[in-house]
Amino acid sequence: RKEVEQDPGPFNVPEGATVAFNCTYSNSASQSFFWYRQDCRKEPKLLMSVYSSGNEDGRFTAQLNRASQYISLLIRDSKLSDSATYLCVVFGAGSYQLTFGKGTKLSVIP
Amino acid sequence: DVKVTQSSRYLVKRTGEKVFLECVQDMDHENMFWYRQDPGLGLRLIYFSYDVKMKEKGDIPEGYSVSREKKERFSLILESASTNQTSMYLCASRDRGNGYTFGSGTRLTVV
Repeated sequence: RKEVEQDPGPFNVPEGATVAFNCTYSNSASQSFFWYRQDCRKEPKLLMSVYSSGNEDGRFTAQLNRASQYISLLIRDSKLSDSATYLCVVFGAGSYQLTFGKGTKLSVIP
Repeated sequence: DVKVTQSSRYLVKRTGEKVFLECVQDMDHENMFWYRQDPGLGLRLIYFSYDVKMKEKGDIPEGYSVSREKKERFSLILESASTNQTSMYLCASRDRGNGYTFGSGTRLTVV
């Protein structure tokens, strides 16, 4: 089983739609969780951290389910500018490094 | 904001050349990382450093070495560049408890 798995997509959604991405991780001792956004030919940038109680930042909501070892990202009222690849990222106990999923590609269509 | 600066945005090198990729961060972070990113393969860790003069192999260290003589600078070295090292190289810096900040990347082409 891969350490961090994501559906690669692409997810093609119309403007204004709500879209959700899931990500599963294999290491039950993982401690920290993040969503990164990567635009085409650019570096990944931190979108938001994911907290156990769930957290929201504007149109974006992140959830963590430790029992099932998955993380989700919900985007409401999609904008054209949301088109990007979304990377699920996990930080394990006793490690210096983050583990990245391969990303889910989102295209928001006019 | 943390700034991570990579010395070159685009590089073209010849097979067999020794290539240096430089990365500098300005926030006194202990941990620094080098990744390469290829279509369909995602981000793959080459090497990382958790402190000055300390280095650890990542998942794909073959053909690469690193140097960290100062805390703010982490260099990736391709000892003898090969065409299969054509890729996007990303440097990252990390503070404890937080995520990474990436540099803007170096797109290396080996011909």
